[in-house]
Amino acid sequence: NAGVMQNPRHLVRRRGQEARLRCSPMKGHSHVYWYRQLPEEGLKFMVYLQKENIIDESGMPKERFSAEFPKEGPSILRIQQVVRGDSAAYFCASSPSRDSYGYTFGSGTRLTVV
Amino acid sequence: AQSVTQLDSQVPVFEEAPVELRCNYSSSVSVYLFWYVQYPNQGLQLLLKYLSGSTLVKGINGFEAEFNKSQTSFHLRKPSVHISDTAEYFCAVSGGSNYKLTFGKGTLLTVNP
Repeated sequence: NAGVMQNPRHLVRRRGQEARLRCSPMKGHSHVYWYRQLPEEGLKFMVYLQKENIIDESGMPKERFSAEFPKEGPSILRIQQVVRGDSAAYFCASSPSRDSYGYTFGSGTRLTVV
Repeated sequence: AQSVTQLDSQVPVFEEAPVELRCNYSSSVSVYLFWYVQYPNQGLQLLLKYLSGSTLVKGINGFEAEFNKSQTSFHLRKPSVHISDTAEYFCAVSGGSNYKLTFGKGTLLTVNP
C-alpha cells in the first residue's frame, strides 16, 4: 500500500512560469490537504479538498493559486506566474475521513523560483 | 483560532542524553495535539498524538509526550537520544473544525557523538 505520492520532488521555475504540483492520496483516502512550508517556518494550511469539491480554501492566496481534486487522477496545486516568494516546500496529506488524526503526509515538492 | 509556540528553535544534545522539546498551545476549544518529525528533505512522520484519555502518550522511536491542560503544554521527551534522532520536530494542534492542523515553527534537534 503506497503512501501519499507527490511529484515532482523538486521543481525549478523561472519567474512568470506556471508550477503544477501533483498529489496522489493513499488508497482509500478521499480527503486531501495541501500545506506550505516557507523557510524557517512551520507548515501552513492552504486548502482541503474532497473528490471534485473544494471544502476549505481559507489558506490559499487569493490570486495565482488554485487547487483541484478531480474524480479521476491526482490532486493538483497550480501556481500561475510564479514569483520568488512562492519558493517553498509544498506538502500534501490525505486521510480516510474528515479529521486531522488520520493524516498521512507525502514527501513534498520543493519549488524553487529563479 | 489556535496557535502553537515551540520555545526552542534549536536543541543540541549529546548522544545517550535525555531531551525535552517544549511546546505550548492556545485554543478556545478542546484540542488534539501532535508531534511530527521531519528528516532532511523528507515529509512529516507522525511521532505521537493526543486525542483524549491518558495524558501521557507514548509514540514511536522511544518518544513520549505529556498533555498538561492547565499549562497548555505538550512537551516531547526521550530518555536517551541517538544520532539518528537528529531531525526537525514539529508540534501541531487541531481544534474546532478538527481537519486543519496548526503547526509550530519547529525545533531542530541535533544529536552529537
